[in-house]
Amino acid sequence: DQQVKQNSPSLSVQEGRISILNCDYTNSMFDYFLWYKKYPAEGPTFLISISSIKDKNEDGRFTVFLNKSAKHLSLHIVPSQPGDSAVYFCAAKGKSSGDKLTFGTGTRLAVRP
Amino acid sequence: DARVTQTPRDKVTEMGQEVTMRCQPILGHNTVFWYRQTMMQGLELLAYFRNRAPLDDSGMPKDRFSAEMPDATLATLKIQPSEPRDSAVYFCASARSKETQYFGPGTRLLVL
Repeated sequence: DQQVKQNSPSLSVQEGRISILNCDYTNSMFDYFLWYKKYPAEGPTFLISISSIKDKNEDGRFTVFLNKSAKHLSLHIVPSQPGDSAVYFCAAKGKSSGDKLTFGTGTRLAVRP
Repeated sequence: DARVTQTPRDKVTEMGQEVTMRCQPILGHNTVFWYRQTMMQGLELLAYFRNRAPLDDSGMPKDRFSAEMPDATLATLKIQPSEPRDSAVYFCASARSKETQYFGPGTRLLVL
């Protein structure tokens, strides 16, 4: 039972354009969402997060949008750079789950020069 | 530059052998997580500890997997006996309670 779903296994974008990565969740108890970025042969690194009391959080080129009614969040990268090529994991947690994160299966982003 | 370290980085073994993976969390972090990455399931939480006590190991196959923290600087994940379906990348992560998790580089396990 996949509670966090990333339905696009891969995405290819031209350098300079916008990358949009999507994530859906099914558990209405989730109230905090995170995106992690992973390069080959390295562990995931934290990128950006959003609490359910907000619908947008921005950090430089990265913006996360949360649509609670649709149980959907998205990560926008503008402008995309070749160094952004990586696997992006969406993760979620709820108050009752403590520190426990539930991850999606990841989306591989390729930014073409 | 504090980081989580994991050993070994790569392990190839034969079915039935015991495998032990080790993790050194970031100094001062009191919560340690073990994850497994597979193509189908993404990152699955196997177990986690706070202040060396196991809090949740519901994601771990109990018959063959075990996780321990002998001290605050070492976490271990053991598989005995190993099976081909255990082939995956195993990540350790550490955090201060309720804060961002920092991941190690992973142990790539191949069971033949």
